[in-house]
Amino acid sequence: AQKVTQAQTEISVVEKEDVTLDCVYETRDTTYYLFWYKQPPSGELVFLIRRNSFDEQNEISGRYSWNFQKSTSSFNFTITASQVVDSAVYFCALSERVTGGGNKLTFGTGTQLKVEL
Amino acid sequence: DVKVTQSSRYLVKRTGEKVFLECVQDMDHENMFWYRQDPGLGLRLIYFSYDVKMKEKGDIPEGYSVSREKKERFSLILESASTNQTSMYLCASSFEGHEQFFGPGTRLTVL
Repeated sequence: AQKVTQAQTEISVVEKEDVTLDCVYETRDTTYYLFWYKQPPSGELVFLIRRNSFDEQNEISGRYSWNFQKSTSSFNFTITASQVVDSAVYFCALSERVTGGGNKLTFGTGTQLKVEL
Repeated sequence: DVKVTQSSRYLVKRTGEKVFLECVQDMDHENMFWYRQDPGLGLRLIYFSYDVKMKEKGDIPEGYSVSREKKERFSLILESASTNQTSMYLCASSFEGHEQFFGPGTRLTVL
């Protein structure tokens, strides 16, 4: 069975600090996708990134960057110069093909990030 | 923009009532999903559907059923609501293999 572990339940930082959210996954699939989602206090999950298992290049988008390392089964997310608006719960997820068609996601339990002034 | 809508943001029901949660997406996605979210447990998949009239059990299907009569609509049904079904319910849709887009969620309280 697939598994996603986000060991950090809650992280508190002061604005402008850099912060890294950890994600470790387990899968037997050779082809899979990894995702990060943000859930602000309003409650709606917002898609941030999708990474194919064949693409280990790191990705940067503004203050966000992602480090995918297949050797350690990790897909970590770093926010540079954090801001109060980054305060949210962040979820890492792993896709899995299912019998009959389609994909389903296995989510980690989430990391609550609090950015304070 | 993809839009996934859910029929209610907040719902209060009594134990034993039949509850319908509706979800509609406007992007012609094949796949639709129902999750529940509870503190400390993350999102857990209840049911999903990869085509009209098709449904598959997720990780926690007990006490729930679903209906997908049209491609854009996916309904979650609680046949006889119980207090342990008090939770946030999230609907999502996607093209195969791609990111899921989520609705705003329905916070259900069963008294």
